Amino acid sequence: KAGVTQTPRYLIKTRGQQVTLSCSPISGHRSVSWYQQTPGQGLQFLFEYFSETQRNKGNFPGRFSGRQFSNSRSEMNVSTLELGDSALYLCASSPWGQNQETQYFGPGTRLLVL
Amino acid sequence: AQRVTQPEKLLSVFKGAPVELKCNYSYSGSPELFWYVQYSRQRLQLLLRHISRESIKGFTADLNKGETSFHLKKPFAQEEDSAMYYCALKPAGNTGKLIFGQGTTLQVKP
Repeated sequence: KAGVTQTPRYLIKTRGQQVTLSCSPISGHRSVSWYQQTPGQGLQFLFEYFSETQRNKGNFPGRFSGRQFSNSRSEMNVSTLELGDSALYLCASSPWGQNQETQYFGPGTRLLVL
Repeated sequence: AQRVTQPEKLLSVFKGAPVELKCNYSYSGSPELFWYVQYSRQRLQLLLRHISRESIKGFTADLNKGETSFHLKKPFAQEEDSAMYYCALKPAGNTGKLIFGQGTTLQVKP
């Protein structure tokens, strides 16, 4: 099976702009989780989508949002970008998002906010 | 608070030496714990999970609830083990969520 894919791989934006990142999970996986990775804070959970519904959410401001489509592909959106949003954004998929399931990670999208 | 702590940012050992990557957690309840690894220019991937009690690439990890630890061990390090290692905890009832430690870079010198 093809792995998790993320597009684009790199992005440069300026403060105040918005950005949309895309994630295609492994075929058959219905749960998609998003993480932000920064040198200071490490890997932090943003949210999880399952069957087109946000099922779990981390402690991020409302500027961070997402959605999931019927084919399980997911997008995350960051509005009114701040310098501190510069990070590597990872998505991960799993069959159901349940206990003991392996999360399979994508390569990430590196966002630079200038 | 739910937290995972990896006290070492960098662990450097010689090939053939034993390796122990430390992981401590803070969690009330029965934890589900994992070790993920990221090799150079590769994506993050699962190494092992505590419930499986398996050995992957010679690595093992034992859950010690008394010490709230889940240290990763390997008796004889290989150069190809050089990578970034993350300990992660899945809180019960939190679908799709992993809480990661800050990671430890393992450097195995020839």
